[in-house]
Amino acid sequence: DQQVKQNSPSLSVQEGRISILNCDYTNSMFDYFLWYKKYPAEGPTFLISISSIKDKNEDGRFTVFLNKSAKHLSLHIVPSQPGDSAVYFCAASSSGGSNYKLTFGKGTLLTVNP
Amino acid sequence: EAQVTQNPRYLITVTGKKLTVTCSQNMNHEYMSWYRQDPGLGLRQIYYSMNVEVTDKGDVPEGYKVSRKEKRNFPLILESPSPNQTSLYFCASSSAAYNEQFFGPGTRLTVL
Repeated sequence: DQQVKQNSPSLSVQEGRISILNCDYTNSMFDYFLWYKKYPAEGPTFLISISSIKDKNEDGRFTVFLNKSAKHLSLHIVPSQPGDSAVYFCAASSSGGSNYKLTFGKGTLLTVNP
Repeated sequence: EAQVTQNPRYLITVTGKKLTVTCSQNMNHEYMSWYRQDPGLGLRQIYYSMNVEVTDKGDVPEGYKVSRKEKRNFPLILESPSPNQTSLYFCASSSAAYNEQFFGPGTRLTVL
């Protein structure tokens, strides 16, 4: 049973436009959400996070939105740049769980075309 | 420079030959974890450690062992590797269990 779902395996966007990556979760115990970016031949790197007490968190060109009632979060990248081309993983965790782990989605490959 | 290092980066081995993948972090993090990444499956946790001498199973622990004798090191041991353990492995660490995790560069393992 996949608890974190990224239903779009890939997304292609023009440089300068907005990229929107989506993530859905099923476990209502999740209260902390993160986005990671991964380039080929490298480990994932942390991008941005959001706690369940917020519905928005912004860091430069990156904004994460959380809709708890819909169990949905999204990452907005504005404006998109060719260097943003990477695989983006959504991850979730529960601070009250006995196994403090991150549960990852399968990832979305973002391609930003010049 | 704060980092998580893994060795080796690439390894080709044969079924049944014991191997160890080392992981070390220099950030004094208490929490460390191992993941494997497979096509279409994303990142799945193998084992994690909350602190020295404290380890527990993740989602896919079968066929793996770990140890945490020192805070900075968290080796992954495959006692008898099998072809289904061919994968890309990542070690990660963080200051608290559910904080952002810092990942190593990955170890690509092929078991023939």
